[in-house]
Amino acid sequence: GAVVSQHPSWVICKSGTSVKIECRSLDFQATTMFWYRQFPKQSLMLMATSNEGSKATYEQGVEKDKFLINHASLTLSTLTVTSAHPEDSSFYICSARDVMNTGELFFGEGSRLTVL
Amino acid sequence: AQSVSQHNHHVILSEAASLELGCNYSYGGTVNLFWYVQYPGQHLQLLLKYFSGDPLVKGIKGFEAEFIKSKFSFNLRKPSVQWSDTAEYFCAVNALSGANNLFFGTGTRLTVIP
Repeated sequence: GAVVSQHPSWVICKSGTSVKIECRSLDFQATTMFWYRQFPKQSLMLMATSNEGSKATYEQGVEKDKFLINHASLTLSTLTVTSAHPEDSSFYICSARDVMNTGELFFGEGSRLTVL
Repeated sequence: AQSVSQHNHHVILSEAASLELGCNYSYGGTVNLFWYVQYPGQHLQLLLKYFSGDPLVKGIKGFEAEFIKSKFSFNLRKPSVQWSDTAEYFCAVNALSGANNLFFGTGTRLTVIP
């Protein structure tokens, strides 16, 4: 199947700093990527939909100025957590849909963020 | 708004036992349905999906799921589980007329005892 890669897989940062997480579709082009957040023992919560070449669409309750999403190319979307705080510590997962838009999503490995 | 319910939060079975995990969704239109699995320390993987046609869908590793439209359900089944099936299982729904993203259930943790 198609491969989606996230980097870094694990990051620890100090409170107040910003962290960038990359999501790449390695063997297909993705016009749409999704960013999810997974809390311990809970399901994935959709944060935003990232569309190549346009602004991301954020779900209700997600601060767009805090979670900056950029989808500059058909194979790369980035999530930047700005001025991170301990409550932002979580597991962030991206997924991508190929240009054929079959409805199937391919998931990255996830990035665990710990804010001290 | 769409929602996906997985009523079993944690299921514990012995090897060779049969498995059925419930999934119900609330959306009246046409949907695509998915089951994903997350093994310990690994990322989400697709087990099976339903788009149209035969409502009984067969996936990888001996799993199957049945779409019952009248019950808004898409239960996951396996006749005989193995220790290696220990994982978190997520049901997901994609409403074709909506925002075209996936809505996930809260997941069911399956523990298989050798």
